[in-house]
Amino acid sequence: GESVGLHLPTLSVQEGDNSIINCAYSNSASDYFIWYKQESGKGPQFIIDIRSNMDKRQGQRVTVLLNKTVKHLSLQIAATQPGDSAVYFCAETPTGNQFYFGTGTSLTVIP
Amino acid sequence: NAGVTQTPKFQVLKTGQSMTLQCAQDMNHNSMYWYRQDPGMGLRLIYYSASEGTTDKGEVPNGYNVSRLNKREFSLRLESAAPSQTSVYFCASSTQGLNTEAFFGQGTRLTVV
Repeated sequence: GESVGLHLPTLSVQEGDNSIINCAYSNSASDYFIWYKQESGKGPQFIIDIRSNMDKRQGQRVTVLLNKTVKHLSLQIAATQPGDSAVYFCAETPTGNQFYFGTGTSLTVIP
Repeated sequence: NAGVTQTPKFQVLKTGQSMTLQCAQDMNHNSMYWYRQDPGMGLRLIYYSASEGTTDKGEVPNGYNVSRLNKREFSLRLESAAPSQTSVYFCASSTQGLNTEAFFGQGTRLTVV
């Protein structure tokens, strides 16, 4: 099966600091990656995606970096806010039909 | 705009009982999915339906059946519930094809005792 793992299960940051959440994937054939945010008691919500022909993609306060050489994905959140506290998942797909999710990183923002 | 709606939100079953989890989406998406989420683990795909009339197994299909009733609805059935099926179940949908995000429902928390 696929292996999508996160380097750190928990992360605590001060409000206003930048956050970096990392993810490793194992399937070189994966061509599409997504970061999801899951708040307590809710379903995952899309944050940002990136295709394998890109190295970097920016959204509003978020940036995703993709390093295909080492099969590594990261999510950067600028000026982290209390509302960013959640569990963050990376997901990859080599086929477009099955997304493989990592175990998640719990981000806690300290006011 | 409801998005993906799951029912029920909570359910307790006794071992051996059966039940069906319902899912409906109003985004005219072709593809629908059922995932389970266990503590300390990511979401694992149980079954998916790439389009109306088709269903395929995911990573963990054993003990489950699905029905793609129409384009909007995709149900998950547990014929004989087991404690190992205690989990949070999420339904999701997406437009057909590669490189498209999935939209998730709020989840069904199922406990099998």
